Amino acid sequence: DGGITQSPKYLFRKEGQNVTLSCEQNLNHDAMYWYRQDPGQGLRLIYYSQIVNDFQKGDIAEGYSVSREKKESFPLTVTSAQKNPTAFYLCASSPGTDTQYFGPGTRLTVL
Amino acid sequence: GQSLEQPSEVTAVEGAIVQINCTYQTSGFYGLSWYQQHDGGAPTFLSYNALDGLEETGRFSSFLSRSDSYGYLLLQELQMKDSASYFCAVRLSFNKFYFGSGTKLNVKP
Repeated sequence: DGGITQSPKYLFRKEGQNVTLSCEQNLNHDAMYWYRQDPGQGLRLIYYSQIVNDFQKGDIAEGYSVSREKKESFPLTVTSAQKNPTAFYLCASSPGTDTQYFGPGTRLTVL
Repeated sequence: GQSLEQPSEVTAVEGAIVQINCTYQTSGFYGLSWYQQHDGGAPTFLSYNALDGLEETGRFSSFLSRSDSYGYLLLQELQMKDSASYFCAVRLSFNKFYFGSGTKLNVKP
């Protein structure tokens, strides 16, 4: 089946650690996105990528990094520089139309 | 900066009609989308308006007025399963979107 997968579903991080969230899609979409969602809030754009080996910062990129080495994959690293990383992280892809398709999300908690 | 305004919460009864408004002030505008998100789940696409007017998809309709920087999502024949958060999102450029803070819809029996 085509779709977007994210792993892990739940992730716990100790202070000072870097963690990487996985996002894979087999929809053959060029564009991919990372959003952060805090409780009761909307989605805030962290990074997005329109093609392989290219990505742009979104509104809240500080403390995060990404790579886009393959069309199917867009991993997000939450670095120790991100002071308040506890949140729900959503990955999405788009074929360049008005629609974004979201993965099931990763819930990150800092211990 | 970008600004999208939508009510934080709306309550309606089963079988009724509810309208969720969205006003926007953005640096770019290609169109307005609506997404539904159940608690703990991923957002799912509902509709998109690029031009003024009403788009209908089953029980859901979406409206856009570009001159007023305003749109709304209309849900008819409300069902309990429609209880969720609804987000409007502006397509700022070809591949960039900006989301509102969401409206929590509570459907009561």
